Amino acid sequence: GDSVTQMEGPVTLSEEAFLTINCTYTATGYPSLFWYVQYPGEGLQLLLKATKADDKGSNKGFEATYRKETTSFHLEKGSVQVSDSAVYFCALTALLRNEKLTFGTGTRLTIIP
Amino acid sequence: NAGVTQTPKFQVLKTGQSMTLQCAQDMNHNSMYWYRQDPGMGLRLIYYSASEGTTDKGEVPNGYNVSRLNKREFSLRLESAAPSQTSVYFCASISGLRGYTFGSGTRLTVV
Repeated sequence: GDSVTQMEGPVTLSEEAFLTINCTYTATGYPSLFWYVQYPGEGLQLLLKATKADDKGSNKGFEATYRKETTSFHLEKGSVQVSDSAVYFCALTALLRNEKLTFGTGTRLTIIP
Repeated sequence: NAGVTQTPKFQVLKTGQSMTLQCAQDMNHNSMYWYRQDPGMGLRLIYYSASEGTTDKGEVPNGYNVSRLNKREFSLRLESAAPSQTSVYFCASISGLRGYTFGSGTRLTVV
């Protein structure tokens, strides 16, 4: 079945540091890939997405590129801020079969001033 | 504001009690979902409904039932709560590749 493996946390960085959160996946067919963010006490919000190989999703300074050859969708940001502190989830869905999202376990990110 | 509304936000139950978690969306989405979130396990799908009048089991359906009352509402029922059902529950609906919209969650504790 489909699965998502993401970098275990927690991750603690200083403000303005470079961020990478690794995500790899296993799926049959051609999944769409997503990053969701969860701020404390809130539900999940879509951060960015990519629907086919070599697509780059971007939003709020975050980027991730759909790499079919390495089955990866790593999240990056060049300069993190305290407000980026949250839990980040990588997820996939195989729309040809259904719309169910399969999530990774989440990575808690803390940015210190 | 358009979105997904869940009630209640917090609930404490005793083992064996029953309760229903309510979810409503006002975005005219066909598909709705119930997930549970547990530490170190991400979100796991309990049940989903691809359209009004249909429901299907997800990854962890045991101990739960659902009702898709109409296009807007999708409720999750615990008939006899167990401590293993202590979790945060999220309802979501989807609009194609624009992705899921999640509710703010229900934090349930079973003692």
